[in-house]
Amino acid sequence: GAGVSQSPRYKVTKRGQDVALRCDPISGHVSLYWYRQALGQGPEFLTYFNYEAQQDKSGLPNDRFSAERPEGSISTLTIQRTEQRDSAMYRCASSQPLNEQFFGPGTRLTVL
Amino acid sequence: GENVEQHPSTLSVQEGDSAVIKCTYSDSASNYFPWYKQELGKGPQLIIDIRSNVGEKKDQRIAVTLNKTAKHFSLHITETQPEDSAVYFCAALSSGGSYIPTFGRGTSLIVHP
Repeated sequence: GAGVSQSPRYKVTKRGQDVALRCDPISGHVSLYWYRQALGQGPEFLTYFNYEAQQDKSGLPNDRFSAERPEGSISTLTIQRTEQRDSAMYRCASSQPLNEQFFGPGTRLTVL
Repeated sequence: GENVEQHPSTLSVQEGDSAVIKCTYSDSASNYFPWYKQELGKGPQLIIDIRSNVGEKKDQRIAVTLNKTAKHFSLHITETQPEDSAVYFCAALSSGGSYIPTFGRGTSLIVHP
């Protein structure tokens, strides 16, 4: 594809539900990053992958958050038992190793 | 860990004026400083970057300066145009590590025609 795509673009869910956010990176990009961006803030690192291996998950806030990239391409960020404080823009970025990151348009998550 | 402070949070200028955004960082191991422009409804896009072995870098109307001793770096936009209106983020990271940037809080730049 031409760039990083994310789906859905908007997600509204009720507190306690699970959500799965998808990221489709630029074809051939080895590295994939997940960020969370609150209103009026910069992106905050959550986790990243090289190929299918999760290299660093130190930014995940708690064990309700998990991510996978089973075939080294598409990645899914899953939030279990969502809480209102999880409401934010979730952004994905992809890159070649140690190179410029290209960001997707994000998924706006609202937890009611 | 790294901490990046960015000022101002909002900046309003007239078309044709210059705009300056300033950032400070805390980790002396950081050696790569990218700047991103985020337009409404889009993700951040890299517009210019600077490495710690360089004091200044220029690309047409935008320039970045770095003072490694003071741990601060700045973005300068000259001859601003309405299409420069966006949120700008600075970031700092160590290129020898996992290449994970720490972002500033962003500056909302408004250029009035």
